[in-house]
Amino acid sequence: AQTIHQWPVAEIKAVGSPLSLGCTIKGKSSPNLYWYWQATGGTLQQLFYSITVGQVESVVQLNLSASRPKDDQFILSTEKLLLSHSGFYLCAWSLLPTGNTEVFFGKGTRLTVV
Amino acid sequence: GDSVTQTEGPVTLSEGTSLTVNCSYETKQYPTLFWYVQYPGEGPQLLFKVPKANEKGSNRGFEATYNKEATSFHLQKASVQESDSAVYYCALSDYNQGKLIFGQGTKLSIKP
Repeated sequence: AQTIHQWPVAEIKAVGSPLSLGCTIKGKSSPNLYWYWQATGGTLQQLFYSITVGQVESVVQLNLSASRPKDDQFILSTEKLLLSHSGFYLCAWSLLPTGNTEVFFGKGTRLTVV
Repeated sequence: GDSVTQTEGPVTLSEGTSLTVNCSYETKQYPTLFWYVQYPGEGPQLLFKVPKANEKGSNRGFEATYNKEATSFHLQKASVQESDSAVYYCALSDYNQGKLIFGQGTKLSIKP
């Protein structure tokens, strides 16, 4: 069975500090990977997607970057956090590029920037 | 660009009553339409999807019909239960950009 693990579960960080969030998918080779962001009480907004190792496409510019160093790992990071980065970050995967295929989400990381 | 608009929440119902959550979409494509459900502290999970116009999707007593003419995909359930309390998201697929576009979500609370 496929599992998706996100870390950390929650973070409280200061404005201007760096950030690194991670995601690992087990049980599925060469998945399509995604990062989504959800403001408190808001909708889900796709940030990045990756079809293969080393290849990441940006969907929305939020002063964040993403990398896929391994087939099963997706990293979201920034060197300087803003207050507006607060929210719920979700990693997700699908078998195919999003079309009529289901996207499977992790449990998310709650980020509070103070 | 593509967009999805849902019933504004929160919505509070009594157990046993019927539910309708409206969903309208705008796109120039022929998308697949989805309903996702998110429980507190969890990521969203697929409720069901409908890839073709004029077809119906259903799961756990929820259903929705892909109405291409009206560009709608309203979620319905005849009799809600307390366990249905969650946030419901309507979404459409954007093949060109490889992404899902979500509505703003509708928070549903069911009173026993």
